[in-house]
Amino acid sequence: DAGVIQSPRHEVTEMGQEVTLRCKPISGHDYLFWYRQTMMRGLELLIYFNNNVPIDDSGMPEDRFSAKMPNASFSTLKIQPSEPRDSAVYFCASTPWGRTTNTEAFFGQGTRLTVV
Amino acid sequence: QKEVEQNSGPLSVPEGAIASLNCTYSDRGSQSFFWYRQYSGKSPELIMSIYSNGDKEDGRFTAQLNKASQYVSLLIRDSQPSDSATYLCAVKQGGSYIPTFGRGTSLIVHP
Repeated sequence: DAGVIQSPRHEVTEMGQEVTLRCKPISGHDYLFWYRQTMMRGLELLIYFNNNVPIDDSGMPEDRFSAKMPNASFSTLKIQPSEPRDSAVYFCASTPWGRTTNTEAFFGQGTRLTVV
Repeated sequence: QKEVEQNSGPLSVPEGAIASLNCTYSDRGSQSFFWYRQYSGKSPELIMSIYSNGDKEDGRFTAQLNKASQYVSLLIRDSQPSDSATYLCAVKQGGSYIPTFGRGTSLIVHP
């Protein structure tokens, strides 16, 4: 398996523009997470899905952020309109369901977003 | 609110020394504990997991868990410059698939 695949790897956009980040989880994984990483706040969980259903989006900072998972192999995180404070590295991660919850989260390579 | 605390560092150790990284957590219901390594500009990757009190060894790495005191640590023996990275502690509540991460400790191993 190729692992969790994210695109684009880098995104530079102007304030006010719409940004869409994409993620393909590992096949067979039931859980998908979107994290945001900054120096100030570390890795923050934004939202997670279980079997394509959003379970907890309490980490989404504002209504400008939205996420979807239309099928088991694809998810998007959208920011509209983008602001400079959204600049960060956004990671997608996935993990399988197991007989216990002692399962590892596998991370994609991340998308470095810069809003100017 | 579940919290995972780590000293941000940097922790600087000479090559060949033992590096000791610590993590404390607030949720007594936590059951699963993970150490991830993150090189600069890269994504986190798992290096150790531990679920029971005591020590767990894997090569040069030893994870230590003390649930009564709510801390987990990672020891790296014979530290190498290639170990220089940020080490993230992650904790899962019992029955949860959702890891909560600390902010990480930066480790620098100098020759």
